[in-house]
Amino acid sequence: DAGVIQSPRHEVTEMGQEVTLRCKPISGHDYLFWYRQTMMRGLELLIYFNNNVPIDDSGMPEDRFSAKMPNASFSTLKIQPSEPRDSAVYFCASSGQGVGYGYTFGSGTRLTVV
Amino acid sequence: GQSLEQPSEVTAVEGAIVQINCTYQTSGFYGLSWYQQHDGGAPTFLSYNALDGLEETGRFSSFLSRSDSYGYLLLQELQMKDSASYFCAGPSNTGKLIFGQGTTLQVKP
Repeated sequence: DAGVIQSPRHEVTEMGQEVTLRCKPISGHDYLFWYRQTMMRGLELLIYFNNNVPIDDSGMPEDRFSAKMPNASFSTLKIQPSEPRDSAVYFCASSGQGVGYGYTFGSGTRLTVV
Repeated sequence: GQSLEQPSEVTAVEGAIVQINCTYQTSGFYGLSWYQQHDGGAPTFLSYNALDGLEETGRFSSFLSRSDSYGYLLLQELQMKDSASYFCAGPSNTGKLIFGQGTTLQVKP
């Protein structure tokens, strides 16, 4: 298994531009999570899906952020418009082994908004 | 609310034993998980305690006391490669996983 695949690995964009981050979970996993990591705030849960349905988006910072999971093998996190304070590493993770076990993270997307 | 507290930094020497504590304040946590993250890398799963007691996996052990809302990760025979950040995390029974702020472990020769 190739694991959780995220793209791009690095993204540098100008303030005000739209940014789309992509994630392919492990096949068969029914949970998908989007996290953001910064030095100041640590690992923050933004949103998670179960069987492609958003369950909890209370961590999404504001309306500029949106996430979709159109099918079991693909999810996107979109920021529009982007701001410098959105600069962070964004991780996607998937799980299919039950509560608490084996959450597998992707390599992350390092986003820099200038 | 849900929160997990752990020390920000721990330093130990190669070959020693180190314990990283985690206390949590929440309702609805379904056990305690531990993750390791090296600089520039992704968090990787280490262990999960669904029930009270000690779970051992090689050099690493994890303990949970649900009545005390407390757990710890024990690393034995420390190696230089164990230098990393360690996160405790609380999974809810709906699948949501909340992380502590992380403990940076520095292993010195």
